[in-house]
Amino acid sequence: LAKTTQPISMDSYEGQEVNITCSHNNIATNDYITWYQQFPSQGPRFIIQGYKTKVTNEVASLFIPADRKSSTLSLPRVSLSDTAVYYCLVAMNYGGSQGNLIFGKGTKLSVKP
Amino acid sequence: EPEVTQTPSHQVTQMGQEVILRCVPISNHLYFYWYRQILGQKVEFLVSFYNNEISEKSEIFDDQFSVERPDGSNFTLKIRSTKLEDSAMYFCASSQAGITDTQYFGPGTRLTVL
Repeated sequence: LAKTTQPISMDSYEGQEVNITCSHNNIATNDYITWYQQFPSQGPRFIIQGYKTKVTNEVASLFIPADRKSSTLSLPRVSLSDTAVYYCLVAMNYGGSQGNLIFGKGTKLSVKP
Repeated sequence: EPEVTQTPSHQVTQMGQEVILRCVPISNHLYFYWYRQILGQKVEFLVSFYNNEISEKSEIFDDQFSVERPDGSNFTLKIRSTKLEDSAMYFCASSQAGITDTQYFGPGTRLTVL
């Protein structure tokens, strides 16, 4: 399984755009990149998933370069409520097997007023 | 929006006792998972379940653990004889399809073993 590396923590201020980059140098052809958000004492919450180029939804954007060895989660205009831990996961399609999600330590984002 | 629910939200038990953690996955989902998170540590995969059988399990999921889908809606995790180190948040998740489909997590059950 591809290992992911992301910053342990980041600080930001309300209204700023936040970009969290994740490295996954040994990503495989069948791997998808997924980001989850977790608030204290709550379950992880899906944010966005992509395979290549750019994906955007109502919450975030995900940028994936052509070599797919990294990805960047972009949160536009963060608010205090975006303070959470953000996990980058690389999930392989086992072709019929229901694989598990491998969580790393994530990036603890602190948004200040 | 449909969501995964878990009961109880907090369970306190004595070491050696059996506990059953309950989950109601999203109704049209076919794949079910249990994860745990020890305080301050990473979320760890325990087991995945599909078509009434275990698909995959981690090293953590030893003989003390079992899962069951007793009816059409519930998905349970049983710990036969709890240990102090079983104290953690236990999260249930479900997805409609396989690994590339979004897994939706429940709010968790905090298990405290005394």
